[in-house]
Amino acid sequence: AQKVTQAQTEISVVEKEDVTLDCVYETRDTTYYLFWYKQPPSGELVFLIRRNSFDEQNEISGRYSWNFQKSTSSFNFTITASQVVDSAVYFCALTSGAGSYQLTFGKGTKLSVIP
Amino acid sequence: KAGVTQTPRYLIKTRGQQVTLSCSPISGHRSVSWYQQTPGQGLQFLFEYFSETQRNKGNFPGRFSGRQFSNSRSEMNVSTLELGDSALYLCASSLAAGPEAFFGQGTRLTVV
Repeated sequence: AQKVTQAQTEISVVEKEDVTLDCVYETRDTTYYLFWYKQPPSGELVFLIRRNSFDEQNEISGRYSWNFQKSTSSFNFTITASQVVDSAVYFCALTSGAGSYQLTFGKGTKLSVIP
Repeated sequence: KAGVTQTPRYLIKTRGQQVTLSCSPISGHRSVSWYQQTPGQGLQFLFEYFSETQRNKGNFPGRFSGRQFSNSRSEMNVSTLELGDSALYLCASSLAAGPEAFFGQGTRLTVV
């Protein structure tokens, strides 16, 4: 069975601070895909990034960066110089893609950026 | 390019009734998945359809059903509604060849 753990339920930071959201996953599959989604109050899950299990390169996109480490089964997400618009619930998710793209989600981390 | 469209956005139903939710995927996407989101259980997978066939099903009772049409649009139905079915129901669409799922804004169902 697959499992995603986001140990941080809620985080509050002051604007312009950096913040890291943790994600730890469990899977027996050798091929899998990891995702981060952002859920603003409107409810829609906004796709942020996908990472394949065979590609451990870290990625940076503007103020966002992701650190994927297979050795520790972690896929952490860092927001640099946080802004109020970053306030949302962030979900980490996992799928094996083997015959189905069913996503297993973590419980989410609610990020509040205080001006 | 239009995103995933879910209708209606909000619904209030009475216990025992049934409800149908609709999802129009992104043009060209052939896979549609449904998820239920509640404060207690988080995001849980309901089912996945590809080319009108159910490819996978989550651990939900038979009261929850779905289908996909030839134009990839999908509907899910919940019969004999219970108070615990109150949730945000999210639909996601994917290309046939890739695992990225793009979500709609969801239908918020309230059962009273």
